[in-house]
Amino acid sequence: GAGVSQSPSNKVTEKGKDVELRCDPISGHTALYWYRQSLGQGLEFLIYFQGNSAPDKSGLPSDRFSAERTGGSVSTLTIQRTQQEDSAVYLCASSAASVPYEQYFGPGTRLTVT
Amino acid sequence: QQQVKQSPQSLIVQKGGISIINCAYENTAFDYFPWYQQFPGKGPALLIAIRPDVSEKKEGRFTISFNKSAKQFSLHIMDSQPGDSATYFCAPPFLSGGYQKVTFGTGTKLQVIP
Repeated sequence: GAGVSQSPSNKVTEKGKDVELRCDPISGHTALYWYRQSLGQGLEFLIYFQGNSAPDKSGLPSDRFSAERTGGSVSTLTIQRTQQEDSAVYLCASSAASVPYEQYFGPGTRLTVT
Repeated sequence: QQQVKQSPQSLIVQKGGISIINCAYENTAFDYFPWYQQFPGKGPALLIAIRPDVSEKKEGRFTISFNKSAKQFSLHIMDSQPGDSATYFCAPPFLSGGYQKVTFGTGTKLQVIP
């Protein structure tokens, strides 16, 4: 079956612009996660969705970052007024609600802020 | 949040050798303890996971050893191959806000040389 997909795969934007990153989770997976990975670094947790609600937004680095999920499926991560330090790979993962350790990751969106 | 210490940061092993990566964590939850494998340009993928009520699990050349009292678990790769060259993350579970979460370790970059 289809895995987690993300779009775009690459995004280059100018400092100060807003960007939207999209994630399509595996069908039926109610849990969805966003992570950020800087070059050669680990995974930084950003936000967790269970259905359409986000019980854990603790990882969002600033109020420039927001995310939503609609229909218990597609999620969008929005970064407003992008800064150079926002440059990273943004990874989305999904899992069955009862199996948080078994996350399926998408290929990521590489964001470059110039 | 969960403090996770993964070691070593990087590892170079000769083909056919044994690779050992360690993970120490603070908090516990009754859920599987997983290791993820990430190849360059890809999202992480679940490699192997162990239930917390067993001390060892083996899948092919990959073995997880779990020391619950010491709050540590490790990944052993026997007969390491160049194709195992990747970054490995542990992701121990913990309870937060009434639900189970995982926190990813900082990663270990493994290079297997022929």
